[in-house]
Amino acid sequence: DAKTTQPPSMDCAEGRAANLPCNHSTISGNEYVYWYRQIHSQGPQYIIHGLKNNETNEMASLIITEDRKSSTLILPHATLRDTAVYYCIVRVAFNNNDMRFGAGTRLTVKP
Amino acid sequence: NAGVTQTPKFQVLKTGQSMTLQCAQDMNHEYMSWYRQDPGMGLRLIHYSVGAGITDQGEVPNGYNVSRSTTEDFPLRLLSAAPSQTSVYFCASSSVGPFSIQVDTQYFGPGTRLTVL
Repeated sequence: DAKTTQPPSMDCAEGRAANLPCNHSTISGNEYVYWYRQIHSQGPQYIIHGLKNNETNEMASLIITEDRKSSTLILPHATLRDTAVYYCIVRVAFNNNDMRFGAGTRLTVKP
Repeated sequence: NAGVTQTPKFQVLKTGQSMTLQCAQDMNHEYMSWYRQDPGMGLRLIHYSVGAGITDQGEVPNGYNVSRSTTEDFPLRLLSAAPSQTSVYFCASSSVGPFSIQVDTQYFGPGTRLTVL
């Protein structure tokens, strides 16, 4: 079973920030939070990951609460091409065998 | 780099037939894995390999065999196809080097859509 809980779907207006929440209340101290997305049944694509500090890259920002029990993925200026299923995954670093994909959040960016 | 490639893209089998799904990567990654994705669900790990000559079972290994004779290739064999194996199959690879957390991401192939009648 996935160790995370995500809303099944969200909508966002094009050009606005998309904030995707994830609950991981049972996260262990050595587990990282990873985000992947899957566009229209293509292979999943890595977005970002973090341990406890907030992270930012060219695609998104990751905000992790101080108690690490939840996080938010932020797409700062959503485009139609960001419409996808977003997966939040927690696992120990380099332990690919523990990549538990849940159902994810289906984000629809609307014009 | 081509990244992770998978062949075929689509395949239709009859119950009881066997076939091999091919996966190759050109990034010199040690770790490779196979997932299946059923409609409306997330990916589930079938088998994985941490290097040439080493394979192990994932969450849903029954009905599938794998081998890893080279770093580049990781084929998935269906021994006797069943309708329950109708799914989309993804291959993935990653580096397992502990030298930098920045390389700790998996790269996925485009998938093989398999239908078993």
